[in-house]
Amino acid sequence: SQQGEEDPQALSIQEGENATMNCSYKTSINNLQWYRQNSGRGLVHLILIRSNEREKHSGRLRVTLDTSKKSSSLLITASRAADTASYFCATEEGSGTYKYIFGTGTRLKVLA
Amino acid sequence: ETGVTQSPTHLIKTRGQQVTLRCSSQSGHNTVSWYQQALGQGPQFIFQYYREEENGRGNFPPRFSGLQFPNYSSELNVNALELDDSALYLCASSSPGGTYEQYFGPGTRLTVT
Repeated sequence: SQQGEEDPQALSIQEGENATMNCSYKTSINNLQWYRQNSGRGLVHLILIRSNEREKHSGRLRVTLDTSKKSSSLLITASRAADTASYFCATEEGSGTYKYIFGTGTRLKVLA
Repeated sequence: ETGVTQSPTHLIKTRGQQVTLRCSSQSGHNTVSWYQQALGQGPQFIFQYYREEENGRGNFPPRFSGLQFPNYSSELNVNALELDDSALYLCASSSPGGTYEQYFGPGTRLTVT
């Protein structure tokens, strides 16, 4: 079963615009991670936010976490065609297990 | 590139056959996790190996089995293949006590006909 649910399922924007995708999860977490996947290949780790953090930045990425609502959002600013990919949130089952439960993903298409 | 490699890249098998997929973990990582990703879905956790022992399993039947070797590389074996086993199989390596980040290989695309 999927722990996280990303919203929207698909998003299409113009280059230069911002892209926001959301993730909801069901159980308490220690951290939440966002991954990117290009064309059905391996996943690339983007950013990790711990349960005691509310916001984190990495380059053009901004992640927020609201543990009271069990939700997170990923914002990509000034999007580029190369950002076209699927984006997944992942939460860890238990603590320190390294067993991650992934959401269903948001498929982002950035039009040049 | 993460340093995690998987082989083969693509594989076509017939229903009822058996398959072995291989994964070489990133240098220094002693934990390997395997995931199944059906088309249009997120990865689903199959099992994890830590220091050659299974260290947790997802909701997959016993015909999914694995091994981890002393060099921390790993194999995923699937017996009695079914059409629904068609998917991208991903392995990820990590190092307990590290940054919680998993490093994924490029995956093996398995098609069962």
